[in-house]
Amino acid sequence: GAVVSQHPSWVICKSGTSVKIECRSLDFQATTMFWYRQFPKQSLMLMATSNEGSKATYEQGVEKDKFLINHASLTLSTLTVTSAHPEDSSFYICSAQAGGNQETQYFGPGTRLLVL
Amino acid sequence: LAKTTQPISMDSYEGQEVNITCSHNNIATNDYITWYQQFPSQGPRFIIQGYKTKVTNEVASLFIPADRKSSTLSLPRVSLSDTAVYYCLVANTDKLIFGTGTRLQVFP
Repeated sequence: GAVVSQHPSWVICKSGTSVKIECRSLDFQATTMFWYRQFPKQSLMLMATSNEGSKATYEQGVEKDKFLINHASLTLSTLTVTSAHPEDSSFYICSAQAGGNQETQYFGPGTRLLVL
Repeated sequence: LAKTTQPISMDSYEGQEVNITCSHNNIATNDYITWYQQFPSQGPRFIIQGYKTKVTNEVASLFIPADRKSSTLSLPRVSLSDTAVYYCLVANTDKLIFGTGTRLQVFP
């Protein structure tokens, strides 16, 4: 199957700093990428949909100025957590989709963020 | 988006067949049914997808009755490594909304 990578796999930062997470589709071009957040023992929560060359679409309750998303190419989307605080500590997962609706989404391995 | 309902947890023993049923009473005509597997601290892994009847691949089978209001993921002869959370998703768009999933524990 298709491979999606994330970098870094884990990050620890001080409160107030910004953290950038990269999501790459390694062997296919992703017209759409998605960002999820998962807290311990909970399910994945969709944060935003990222389309190459256009602005991301954020889910209700997700601050777009807090979680900046850039989808600069068909193989790369980045999520920047600005001015991170301890409550932003979570497991961030991206997924990538090659085509339109019904195309399988392939997930990255996730990035563990710990804000001190 | 159709809501799904799954058992919160299931237990099984190695070598047994495990069937996880998902209810999706308000599934729409264009909706597909997709199952993902997730291990701790990893991203979900695609298992199988179907629209109706039966779909089988190298790891699982998916049974969908004619009314499509439910679906059953069948894992043949599970092993300890199948211990994970299994998510059933129903969507006709690219937006996936994850439910609570089913936590499967396989014992030796």
